[in-house]
Amino acid sequence: KNQVEQSPQSLIILEGKNCTLQCNYTVSPFSNLRWYKQDTGRGPVSLTIMTFSENTKSNGRYTATLDADTKQSSLHITASQLSDSASYICVVSFPNDYKLSFGAGTTVTVRA
Amino acid sequence: NAGVTQTPKFRVLKTGQSMTLLCAQDMNHEYMYWYRQDPGMGLRLIHYSVGEGTTAKGEVPDGYNVSRLKKQNFLLGLESAAPSQTSVYFCASSYSRQQGGGQPQHFGDGTRLSIL
Repeated sequence: KNQVEQSPQSLIILEGKNCTLQCNYTVSPFSNLRWYKQDTGRGPVSLTIMTFSENTKSNGRYTATLDADTKQSSLHITASQLSDSASYICVVSFPNDYKLSFGAGTTVTVRA
Repeated sequence: NAGVTQTPKFRVLKTGQSMTLLCAQDMNHEYMYWYRQDPGMGLRLIHYSVGEGTTAKGEVPDGYNVSRLKKQNFLLGLESAAPSQTSVYFCASSYSRQQGGGQPQHFGDGTRLSIL
């Protein structure tokens, strides 16, 4: 069973609108939680990294939140652009280990 | 600054054939990783290396071998390809000893491998 579950699996939004992606994880304890953006045909690129003690981190129009008590994270995209069309992957790292647990990703399609 | 470069980008093999996937990074990273990405699943770690001359098994190592003869290169080998190894393979590198050390992994753009 995957230790990182993302929802929704996919979504379509209109350009300029906001959206929020969800990530639930069961990894505990963990070292940090990351969000990556993966464009079609490309490798993942890091958006944010949060330790267990942080509850929000921003990168431009991307804002990630973390609730370590409920083991939930979200990624909010503000004023979406066509270039935001991609898969967004939630990743949780184990402490003192090389293992990362990857979610299956949420595919976002932004339409004009 | 190329970052992480993977070759080839695409390859089609027949069952039983062998091949080597090449990964090169120019960021002087100590740590390098090989993942596979399959539809509907998260990336899974195949093998990793914490430095030149070292390798270790990840989550799904069976059917693969690796070598790290030079710091900047990490090779992934398939000795006898099987259809179950059809996937997209990603190489990544990072500074931190721990993946949880707060340093992001830098990924290549993948090798798309089909085994017939």
